[in-house]
Amino acid sequence: NAGVTQTPKFQVLKTGQSMTLQCAQDMNHNSMYWYRQDPGMGLRLIYYSASEGTTDKGEVPNGYNVSRLNKREFSLRLESAAPSQTSVYFCASIRQVLSNQPQHFGDGTRLSIL
Amino acid sequence: EDKVVQSPLSLVVHEGDTVTLNCSYEVTNFRSLLWYKQEKKAPTFLFMLTSSGIEKKSGRLSSILDKKELFSILNITATQTGDSAIYLCAVAILTGSTLGRLYFGRGTQLTVWP
Repeated sequence: NAGVTQTPKFQVLKTGQSMTLQCAQDMNHNSMYWYRQDPGMGLRLIYYSASEGTTDKGEVPNGYNVSRLNKREFSLRLESAAPSQTSVYFCASIRQVLSNQPQHFGDGTRLSIL
Repeated sequence: EDKVVQSPLSLVVHEGDTVTLNCSYEVTNFRSLLWYKQEKKAPTFLFMLTSSGIEKKSGRLSSILDKKELFSILNITATQTGDSAIYLCAVAILTGSTLGRLYFGRGTQLTVWP
């Protein structure tokens, strides 16, 4: 099915380990987003990419880096994982930010850091 | 401070009840307000509202926006157990660079008992 695919679905890390979360969309969307969702906190924007070749910080970028590999793929990297980064991570995409269409979300990656 | 505030944060009802979920916001450069339903995985899109006073309706769900008073409501009539989910409200803004960022509320956890 067309949509946003995230890998892995679950991961457990030790403090200090590094990891890359992968996201790919096959809807030919230009803009992609990474959010984290913590209990009772809603979704908070980590980084986004308005178009291929550009990335910008969101509300909570500290401890993360991103790469917009091509139009389809947008990865999120934790260089040195910390317990505060335990969360559910969602990737989202939208065709054009001016199209006034909703963002489409992946199923999420549940990340636990011990 | 929160830009998007949802209430109540939690709600428990019985099948057949009608519920009203609230979302108030305080942002500059408002573009649209979106409602999402989140069950176990990805948030799924329900409604996008851009104009005041125009009700959006889909089956038993309906929503309306008041841009003067800066709030929206989501109504669910004749609730069913399948309506149990977190309902997320998000506001899209049009920044100077038109990146269409979304700001989410904390969500309302709705539980419908049989």
